[in-house]
Amino acid sequence: EAGVAQSPRYKIIEKRQSVAFWCNPISGHATLYWYQQILGQGPKLLIQFQNNGVVDDSQLPKDRFSAERLKGVDSTLKIQPAKLEDSAVYLCASREHTGGQSYNEQFFGPGTRLTVL
Amino acid sequence: AQSVTQPDIHITVSEGASLELRCNYSYGATPYLFWYVQSPGQGLQLLLKYFSGDTLVQGIKGFEAEFKRSQSSFNLRKPSVHWSDAAEYFCAVGALAQKLVFGQGTRLTINP
Repeated sequence: EAGVAQSPRYKIIEKRQSVAFWCNPISGHATLYWYQQILGQGPKLLIQFQNNGVVDDSQLPKDRFSAERLKGVDSTLKIQPAKLEDSAVYLCASREHTGGQSYNEQFFGPGTRLTVL
Repeated sequence: AQSVTQPDIHITVSEGASLELRCNYSYGATPYLFWYVQSPGQGLQLLLKYFSGDTLVQGIKGFEAEFKRSQSSFNLRKPSVHWSDAAEYFCAVGALAQKLVFGQGTRLTINP
């Protein structure tokens, strides 16, 4: 079974430029997450999708970050304009959706390392 | 609000020695607890998880963890480490809507 795919793996941009990241989750996984991992810290959730709807975007800096999952499969995360403090690894994860109290494993992609100069 | 604390930022152990990585959590309800490992340039891989039942859980690669409700802890252990265990380890608590809250991580270095 293919894992979570992300591209690009690395990106270097100047501040105030824009950048976009792409994620393809595991087939059949309805839930998709974007995390930001700053060097020396644990991942922090930016946004969670259930199919093509947003479940939680409370920690997404909406003045510069946006994300979409139009067909409920692939997702893109965009930053415009980028700031120096956006330098981080952006991780995508996906999970099967089940009801009730079950708690399914999140599977993570390899991440995109963004450097803002 | 839920939170996770990993008190040790960096730990160095000799190959073949035992390992314990500490994790303390804060969560108002029965927690779902996880340990993930991240090798350089890789995504996170799940080592083990605790949902309920037996408080000692076994994971992959010879790791185990013990849930202690009285201490709000979920420490990760391995009897004998291998050079390939060098990585970053993250403890996480599962919050509402299946959102994971991670600790800051512990970097493990193995001396030959």
